[in-house]
Amino acid sequence: LAKTTQPISMDSYEGQEVNITCSHNNIATNDYITWYQQFPSQGPRFIIQGYKTKVTNEVASLFIPADRKSSTLSLPRVSLSDTAVYYCLVGDTDYGGSQGNLIFGKGTKLSVKP
Amino acid sequence: DSGVTQTPKHLITATGQRVTLRCSPRSGDLSVYWYQQSLDQGLQFLIQYYNGEERAKGNILERFSAQQFPDLHSELNLSSLELGDSALYFCASSARGLAEETQYFGPGTRLLVL
Repeated sequence: LAKTTQPISMDSYEGQEVNITCSHNNIATNDYITWYQQFPSQGPRFIIQGYKTKVTNEVASLFIPADRKSSTLSLPRVSLSDTAVYYCLVGDTDYGGSQGNLIFGKGTKLSVKP
Repeated sequence: DSGVTQTPKHLITATGQRVTLRCSPRSGDLSVYWYQQSLDQGLQFLIQYYNGEERAKGNILERFSAQQFPDLHSELNLSSLELGDSALYFCASSARGLAEETQYFGPGTRLLVL
């Protein structure tokens, strides 16, 4: 099973850029890297997904180096409402990559202060 | 609003009892997933269905069972409930159940076993 490691918590202030790095040393060739956001008592919400290099959408950017053993989620100019837990996931190729079950780690608890 | 609905929102029951949680996927999605989230275990994948067939199993106890019906809604049955089964149970859906697809999570069912 691909395993991810990310910081347990991070603090930031409103307006700052936040970078959360995730390590996934055992990532397989076919695995995608996906980030989800979860607010208390709500279901996780998809943020961004990538395979290699850089991906950007209206919410975040995802940077993936050539070896793909890590990835960095970048949140530009965070606000108080970005306070949440952020999960980094990679595909579970033990199931041949065809199933979509997600292996969530502990996630990173981001606290944004005024 | 993810488009995934779950009922009930809250459930309080006693040890030894049996409950059924219900999930309706997003319109057009064929795959449904069930997750359990407790304070000490984080978010755990339980089981996945695709178009009525079980596709993948995670950390699902033998006391738990699930099924997906022809109309694609799914039910998670929890029996012989124990105090430790108290948790948030999330349902998610995706189009074809593939690893690279976005999963859309419902609002969850909060189960309290007394």
